[in-house]
Amino acid sequence: GESVGLHLPTLSVQEGDNSIINCAYSNSASDYFIWYKQESGKGPQFIIDIRSNMDKRQGQRVTVLLNKTVKHLSLQIAATQPGDSAVYFCAETREGNFNKFYFGSGTKLNVKP
Amino acid sequence: DAGVIQSPRHEVTEMGQEVTLRCKPISGHDYLFWYRQTMMRGLELLIYFNNNVPIDDSGMPEDRFSAKMPNASFSTLKIQPSEPRDSAVYFCASSHGINSATDTQYFGPGTRLTVL
Repeated sequence: GESVGLHLPTLSVQEGDNSIINCAYSNSASDYFIWYKQESGKGPQFIIDIRSNMDKRQGQRVTVLLNKTVKHLSLQIAATQPGDSAVYFCAETREGNFNKFYFGSGTKLNVKP
Repeated sequence: DAGVIQSPRHEVTEMGQEVTLRCKPISGHDYLFWYRQTMMRGLELLIYFNNNVPIDDSGMPEDRFSAKMPNASFSTLKIQPSEPRDSAVYFCASSHGINSATDTQYFGPGTRLTVL
């Protein structure tokens, strides 16, 4: 079936470098996208979100880019820190039901000191 | 605010036993969600409530699973009888409800369930 797609790749970066985590989605009716961070033994933590009528949104050290043409979402983390090490999930909602989240499988980010 | 509170944090039980997981949402939030996380299937929405009323339970795997929300500050997820394949981390989340996409779901710490 259609899904937000990550196949749990692992991204290793050096502390201080920028990180880019990618997410592909397949449903053209997706209208809201969210990035979550999950540290070991904890629940997912909201990072940033973006509506489908936007193509970029910035937060503190994070930027989300949305390319609806190719159904691609990315999370950019500037000056990556050891505390950024976690699994990152993208999630989407569809067809105006903003309460039903479909999560991808996650990307593990390892930050090397 | 203490955030979403879940109990117990860990539960080990034997196959066939009844398991009850508990959740206290963030005060003032009118949506509550139950998720299950496994390595094989990732994070799956099981059911969600709005103002204590179940809205969508299409993710509940089978009749052995049931969820209730007797009031705005408490919800339970029950598995009866439990099976080894129910072993997972179960998360509760709450939100104000997304109309303008300015709020989102806040997750609890999860309950790690192991069914032997």
